[in-house]
Amino acid sequence: ETGVTQTPRHLVMGMTNKKSLKCEQHLGHNAMYWYKQSAKKPLELMFVYSLEERVENNSVPSRFSPECPNSSHLFLHLHTLQPEDSALYLCASSQGLAGFEQYFGPGTRLTVT
Amino acid sequence: SQKIEQNSEALNIQEGKTATLTCNYTNYSPAYLQWYRQDPGRGPVFLLLIRENEKEKRKERLKVTFDTTLKQSLFHITASQPADSATYLCALDGSGNTPLVFGKGTRLSVIA
Repeated sequence: ETGVTQTPRHLVMGMTNKKSLKCEQHLGHNAMYWYKQSAKKPLELMFVYSLEERVENNSVPSRFSPECPNSSHLFLHLHTLQPEDSALYLCASSQGLAGFEQYFGPGTRLTVT
Repeated sequence: SQKIEQNSEALNIQEGKTATLTCNYTNYSPAYLQWYRQDPGRGPVFLLLIRENEKEKRKERLKVTFDTTLKQSLFHITASQPADSATYLCALDGSGNTPLVFGKGTRLSVIA
């Protein structure tokens, strides 16, 4: 175990549903991240939070909405998704933003039908 | 724009041999370079970090080199084992608060 947990591990949702992904880190880290991983493509950084403030938003569609209520928890709220949003969503944390290794959770396998 | 290339999508190697994976980058001057291992359906796991002023880093059977002139890092696994079969990801970040940028990865298969 890496100290980063994600729930749920698998999620199937229709395009009109609203759901949330949850991430929790038990490592005392200051930075947390959401990544999207699709087949044959590199990890895509979606959002970065440092000390609970969002510092990066890589032109992610507004149907993805992050929330970081405290330094240990990170959510990704999903609504009106498209089939092409089906992917593995990974959460990670690190001690700081630059020069530190990232610890990843097991991911949520999302399927949009 | 920044570009990271890992030499091949897949690499097959015989057990006991040394596996060498390549990471090349362009339009970028990273301060750090990291290597991760990812097993199917799981999150990446950190292996090694090397700084721009370091030529080489070792950890057990793993060795990483970083050549800022060639803009290349080599990742070696000596005495490879079937358990080393996984996808290996190269990632770079710059100074300041630049987040990591990942390559697509190389899928290594060690054949007994």
